[in-house]
Amino acid sequence: NAGVTQTPKFQVLKTGQSMTLQCAQDMNHNSMYWYRQDPGMGLRLIYYSASEGTTDKGEVPNGYNVSRLNKREFSLRLESAAPSQTSVYFCASSPSRTSGKETQYFGPGTRLLVL
Amino acid sequence: AQKITQTQPGMFVQEKEAVTLDCTYDTSDPSYGLFWYKQPSSGEMIFLIYQGSYDQQNATEGRYSLNFQKARKSANLVISASQLGDSAMYFCAMREVGFNDYKLSFGAGTTVTVRA
Repeated sequence: NAGVTQTPKFQVLKTGQSMTLQCAQDMNHNSMYWYRQDPGMGLRLIYYSASEGTTDKGEVPNGYNVSRLNKREFSLRLESAAPSQTSVYFCASSPSRTSGKETQYFGPGTRLLVL
Repeated sequence: AQKITQTQPGMFVQEKEAVTLDCTYDTSDPSYGLFWYKQPSSGEMIFLIYQGSYDQQNATEGRYSLNFQKARKSANLVISASQLGDSAMYFCAMREVGFNDYKLSFGAGTTVTVRA
């Protein structure tokens, strides 16, 4: 049981390049999320997918696109990378709300450096 | 407006002592949940403890307890008997009501360093 996996672990891009961050979960969770973590700012939600087939913007969606490929996979795409997108990116998943106590389960993160 | 405020950027604590990490939140929703996560230097996010807005008792999980003061909108984490392995960044987060989603808002975090 791998939980939430992310690839790649680390990436260096030049300004203007594009790339896709991959995320997969094997817990049969309905909801998936992408966050970015910057020093002194905690985690900020970029996009989320409440269920397969739906995606919605979070707090900081500009410069990103997402695809919920199936129930397991949720990818984040940077079409034209900018230095301001240098960050650590976390993918997370959670089951449907039942008791409300359900936590989100996080992947190991992807460190992205945009030069 | 910031929903979660953690005012302590960094704290030092002696091994075996207790430490309290502050968290205040802002919401007009009567139904919400509060979470604490630990992020060690390796980077993963580890769930520690949960408190629901309607829970009558403060949550406890082993050495972690949550001092929930609803009227003050405060959800402080208490770590008892600190261990060297408790050195990490700690994040407070809040879930507000959503029909089918489960968004969390995070604070900026508090770095805890445990001294031997």
